[in-house]
Amino acid sequence: GAGVSQSPSNKVTEKGKDVELRCDPISGHTALYWYRQSLGQGLEFLIYFQGNSAPDKSGLPSDRFSAERTGGSVSTLTIQRTQQEDSAVYLCASSSQSRPQYFGPGTRLTVL
Amino acid sequence: SQQGEEDPQALSIQEGENATMNCSYKTSINNLQWYRQNSGRGLVHLILIRSNEREKHSGRLRVTLDTSKKSSSLLITASRAADTASYFCATRDAGGTSYGKLTFGQGTILTVHP
Repeated sequence: GAGVSQSPSNKVTEKGKDVELRCDPISGHTALYWYRQSLGQGLEFLIYFQGNSAPDKSGLPSDRFSAERTGGSVSTLTIQRTQQEDSAVYLCASSSQSRPQYFGPGTRLTVL
Repeated sequence: SQQGEEDPQALSIQEGENATMNCSYKTSINNLQWYRQNSGRGLVHLILIRSNEREKHSGRLRVTLDTSKKSSSLLITASRAADTASYFCATRDAGGTSYGKLTFGQGTILTVHP
């Protein structure tokens, strides 16, 4: 079946603009995760959705970052007023309960 | 923050040789997973070992886990040029409200020369 998909694959934006990154998880997976990977920080957890529970937002670096998961499926990560340090690859993953997480190809965000 | 530390940071070997990568972590875990990444994108899950397991095999992969030392190793036997990639360990914490998230190590860059 289809894996996790993310769009866009690449996004270049100007400092101060808002961006939206989309993730389509594997059908039937109840858990969805966002991570980001940058040269200086490695792979960092951002936010985690599990079913109808309140999301774990403990990894979001600032209040400029937010995420939604509509209808228990698609998720959107929004970064407001982007800064150059937001440049990274943003990875989405989904899983079924405590099973392994399956990752999408990522969105490479470049903030000029 | 990064919990895991991986050793070595980079490993260069010849095709046919074995490659061993090590990972250390700091907290109590539910499980430890190894992932592979090519070209800075698309993490691929390789193997999961639970905290009550000591060793696990999958094809040419062998993973060990020592919870008393909070460490794990990944052995790739009879390496191939196609194994060239970055390898990450990731831990899922035991208990807590954030049991689902993974904490990744810094990764080992493996280069297999044909």
